[in-house]
Amino acid sequence: GQSLEQPSEVTAVEGAIVQINCTYQTSGFYGLSWYQQHDGGAPTFLSYNALDGLEETGRFSSFLSRSDSYGYLLLQELQMKDSASYFCAVEISGYSTLTFGKGTMLLVSP
Amino acid sequence: KAGVTQTPRYLIKTRGQQVTLSCSPISGHRSVSWYQQTPGQGLQFLFEYFSETQRNKGNFPGRFSGRQFSNSRSEMNVSTLELGDSALYLCASRLDRGLNYGYTFGSGTRLTVV
Repeated sequence: GQSLEQPSEVTAVEGAIVQINCTYQTSGFYGLSWYQQHDGGAPTFLSYNALDGLEETGRFSSFLSRSDSYGYLLLQELQMKDSASYFCAVEISGYSTLTFGKGTMLLVSP
Repeated sequence: KAGVTQTPRYLIKTRGQQVTLSCSPISGHRSVSWYQQTPGQGLQFLFEYFSETQRNKGNFPGRFSGRQFSNSRSEMNVSTLELGDSALYLCASRLDRGLNYGYTFGSGTRLTVV
């Protein structure tokens, strides 16, 4: 099976930079995704990494190291609206499904 | 374009009853997946349908079933409801696997079993 580890909670202040780490154990790794979920809302797709390296989308960046089974989500210029839960999820070859981590609750304070 | 639509948004059922949840994916998306979200277990995969065929299934009892229609709309059914089935049930769609497009999730159906 697959397993993912990410911190349960991270706190930061507005304007700061925060990094949410994700380590995974899986066979047949295909890609790592990140999703954001506000309380009571639907998960929203943020980024996807299939190859090693950094993917940048506006204030958000995601990094993957396949050899280390590790990835992270980097959020820059934090805003209050970034307070939410962030989930990493792995997709394995041949299966169109996602296995999610338990999620990291990000609290952004003024 | 319209997002993923799930109905109903909220549902209260009694133990032993059955329930059917509905999901309309984004137009053109043929892959539809269902997830259960609970505070204790997080997001857990239930099943995935593609072109009316169940392509993958998660580790849930046979009381959980689903289907997909020719227009890609999907339904999931839970029979003989248990208290532990109380959860947010999320439907997600995307074009297909192998494309680095993320899933688009619906707002979910919050099921409470009493």
